[in-house]
Amino acid sequence: DQQVKQNSPSLSVQEGRISILNCDYTNSMFDYFLWYKKYPAEGPTFLISISSIKDKNEDGRFTVFLNKSAKHLSLHIVPSQPGDSAVYFCAASGGDSNYQLIWGAGTKLIIKP
Amino acid sequence: GAGVSQTPSNKVTEKGKYVELRCDPISGHTALYWYRQSLGQGPEFLIYFQGTGAADDSGLPNDRFFAVRPEGSVSTLKIQRTERGDSAVYLCASSLSPDYEQYFGPGTRLTVT
Repeated sequence: DQQVKQNSPSLSVQEGRISILNCDYTNSMFDYFLWYKKYPAEGPTFLISISSIKDKNEDGRFTVFLNKSAKHLSLHIVPSQPGDSAVYFCAASGGDSNYQLIWGAGTKLIIKP
Repeated sequence: GAGVSQTPSNKVTEKGKYVELRCDPISGHTALYWYRQSLGQGPEFLIYFQGTGAADDSGLPNDRFFAVRPEGSVSTLKIQRTERGDSAVYLCASSLSPDYEQYFGPGTRLTVT
C-alpha cells in the first residue's frame, strides 16, 4: 500500500504563474515531510521540508503547506521559472525510523515559456 | 566539496550474475543510505548505515542483496544471482546524522538482461 501518494504524474504551468504540487499520505505517524527535485540522470536534491508542528514553511519562491487533518501537503512555486522543470518528489518520515524516507511516485513539472 | 558519487553510472549484466555497486559519501557524513527506484516510482528504502554497521536493513528485498561499509565511508551494495526484476536505479545518500538532510548521488542504473 502506498503511504505517500502523488496523484498527478505531470503538471504543465506557464512561466511566471504559480505551480502547485500535491501530496497525500496515510500514515499518521509521519511527522516530517520533505520535497525533493530531480533532474534527469541526477539524484534527488532536497528542496524544502516541514515538521508536523507547523502548517507552513517558506523559502524564497517555494512554500510548503501541511494540512494534518486532511493528511495533505502541497508545494507552491511562485513565480515558476523554466529551470523549475523537473520531477518533484514528496517524502515523509516519522515513527521509529525518522531516517527512512517514504516517497511518492513523483510529479513531472513542465514550465512552458 | 564533492558530493555523493556512485560507480558505475550504468551496469548491464546477465541474469544470474553477481554485481557490486559502489557509493562514496560526502566526507564526514556518518549516515549512509541505499534506495532503489523502479521506473515510474519513487525511491524505496533498502538499508541504512550508521558508521560501519547496518543499523536497519529491513528494506533489503531478500538475501540476494547485501551491503557493507567496512571503514565507515565507502559502501558497496552487492547483489547475487541477479534477476530481471532487479533492474532499477540504485541511489545512495549520505547525511551528517540520521536527523539531517540526505544528499543523494546520481545513482547507478542496473539493467539485468
